[in-house]
Amino acid sequence: NAGVMQNPRHLVRRRGQEARLRCSPMKGHSHVYWYRQLPEEGLKFMVYLQKENIIDESGMPKERFSAEFPKEGPSILRIQQVVRGDSAAYFCASSPQGANNYGYTFGSGTRLTVV
Amino acid sequence: QKEVEQNSGPLSVPEGAIASLNCTYSDRGSQSFFWYRQYSGKSPELIMFIYSNGDKEDGRFTAQLNKASQYVSLLIRDSQPSDSATYLCAVPGLSFGAGTTVTVRA
Repeated sequence: NAGVMQNPRHLVRRRGQEARLRCSPMKGHSHVYWYRQLPEEGLKFMVYLQKENIIDESGMPKERFSAEFPKEGPSILRIQQVVRGDSAAYFCASSPQGANNYGYTFGSGTRLTVV
Repeated sequence: QKEVEQNSGPLSVPEGAIASLNCTYSDRGSQSFFWYRQYSGKSPELIMFIYSNGDKEDGRFTAQLNKASQYVSLLIRDSQPSDSATYLCAVPGLSFGAGTTVTVRA
């Protein structure tokens, strides 16, 4: 049973380009969460999704960032027109049900570098 | 967003000592609490979770929960150099503390 799979592991983008980060949850997990971690800082919640639904996007910047979790395929975090401040590690986590009773399993993360 | 505060670090302890980490939370309705360990450059991994008031022990780790005071703590007994990492407290509602970095000196 594979864990949470994120790809790519490392992504380099020039300023103004688009970044697409993918996350496949663990088998049987229908809840996906995205976090951002800046160097030397803690995890910051971005968005919580279930299949075809955004449940909570309160942590996601209003502009340039979007997320989806389609019925088929991985969850995608999309960052348009990237800027240097977007350079960070982006972690995806999944759980089988809501967060109240289960911890999250994290993927290995995508390290985004904007040059 | 539910708030989680962790005691300031970094925390440095000698090998064999007890490392004590604390976390307070704002949402009195929170029911379960999690401790994650994150090695530098790696993703967080779940090491403990606790639902009930009191202590929960797992090997060298003990989680303590006090719902009345809204705090949860993690004790690491007989600390080893391999315990050197950042420890993150999390509550449901997807909130993580900023983390406490622990260094165990050999």
